[in-house]
Amino acid sequence: QLVLTQSPSASASLGASVKLTCTLSSGHSTYAIAWLQQQPEKGPRYLMKVNSDGSHTKGDGIPDRFSGSSSGAERHLTISSLQSEDEADYYCQTWGSGIRVFGGGTKLSVL
Amino acid sequence: EVQLLESGGVLVQPGESLRLSCAASGFIFSSFGMNWVRQAPGKGLEWVSGISGGNTYYADSVKGRFTISRDNSKNTLYLQMSSLRAEDTAEYYCAKEGAGTDTGTHRDWGQGTLVTVSS
Repeated sequence: QLVLTQSPSASASLGASVKLTCTLSSGHSTYAIAWLQQQPEKGPRYLMKVNSDGSHTKGDGIPDRFSGSSSGAERHLTISSLQSEDEADYYCQTWGSGIRVFGGGTKLSVL
Repeated sequence: EVQLLESGGVLVQPGESLRLSCAASGFIFSSFGMNWVRQAPGKGLEWVSGISGGNTYYADSVKGRFTISRDNSKNTLYLQMSSLRAEDTAEYYCAKEGAGTDTGTHRDWGQGTLVTVSS
């Protein structure tokens, strides 16, 4: 079964960097994923696609502070030079055989 | 500029039916897969249904109760919802997929429409 696992919460200081992780279920370690951001009271926003080789392609207008990487079944989103507006929920999402799957989301607090 | 505008969300009673619409503009609608994604109050995102080419797909939680369709002549995506339950209460978003190797990604999103199922 295709499942994405995310830590429920993360925190980091203003101006620092943070690395969020999304883990693919067993047998799906080669899948690409997408990262989405949802700021409070807003709809989701596409950030980037991260491939199994770590390459990533960002959506339009996504700042250079956002980057993606991979390690085995883990897909990462790194946000550097954290700003207050980065405080949001971050979801990973993948797809296969017609279905789409979301991770449970990570709530990022910027201290 | 891609624009997706959902409508049709209202308060309904359990067991009733409802149809959501998503009006699309700014891209060649017929060329892209489209999805419905929902978010219950205070909860995470949940994929509901998708349509790509002539194929339709559903989450187990809605299979047999919801029907996705599209009218390419009207650039509109629909979600027909029947036998609604309290647990279907959520903000419903339509999302446009990417093209080519980005098929499967939800690149563009609407602002959502709220469906409340309550007696």
